[in-house]
Amino acid sequence: GQQVMQIPQYQHVQEGEDFTTYCNSSTTLSNIQWYKQRPGGHPVFLIQLVKSGEVKKQKRLTFQFGEAKKNSSLHITATQTTDVGTYFCAGTGGSEKLVFGKGTKLTVNP
Amino acid sequence: NAGVTQTPKFQVLKTGQSMTLQCAQDMNHEYMSWYRQDPGMGLRLIHYSVGAGITDQGEVPNGYNVSRSTTEDFPLRLLSAAPSQTSVYFCAVSSGSAYEQYFGPGTRLTVT
Repeated sequence: GQQVMQIPQYQHVQEGEDFTTYCNSSTTLSNIQWYKQRPGGHPVFLIQLVKSGEVKKQKRLTFQFGEAKKNSSLHITATQTTDVGTYFCAGTGGSEKLVFGKGTKLTVNP
Repeated sequence: NAGVTQTPKFQVLKTGQSMTLQCAQDMNHEYMSWYRQDPGMGLRLIHYSVGAGITDQGEVPNGYNVSRSTTEDFPLRLLSAAPSQTSVYFCAVSSGSAYEQYFGPGTRLTVT
């Protein structure tokens, strides 16, 4: 079945440093979604990418979808303490199942 | 609008007991799904529904039953709880798997 792998599992940074999490799928994805989950909270949608090679930005966050539509990345520039949480990617491979990666837990040292 | 509601927020069960986790939405979306979240395992899809009367299995369906008789409700049933089902359960609602998922606040279940 479809698998979505995410690395790293944990990332600890100093405030102001950059952060990147990577997502890889075993199959070609129709689209990829990114979510953020604050400690003790529920996942909250950040963005969706659909097109091959697509790049989208949200303030300090940059999202990329690979040319082959099998990988994606989320990059945060100059992290802040408000960026703390777990970031998940999730994708569909043409079925109605949305499969999540295991997430990257980001901690930021002020 | 309440969005997506889940009840109860917390539950402790003994092994072998049964219970139903409730999920309700007032967003009029067709697609509803259940995920469980365990440390280091991310969110794993249990069951999903593309509309009333239609359900299908996700990645980890064993030990769980669902039904979808209305657009608004998608209950998750544990027929005989096991310690391996200790987890946080999230219900999600959307227009479809390829669209933004709206998650409920979650139910934290402990099975002893």
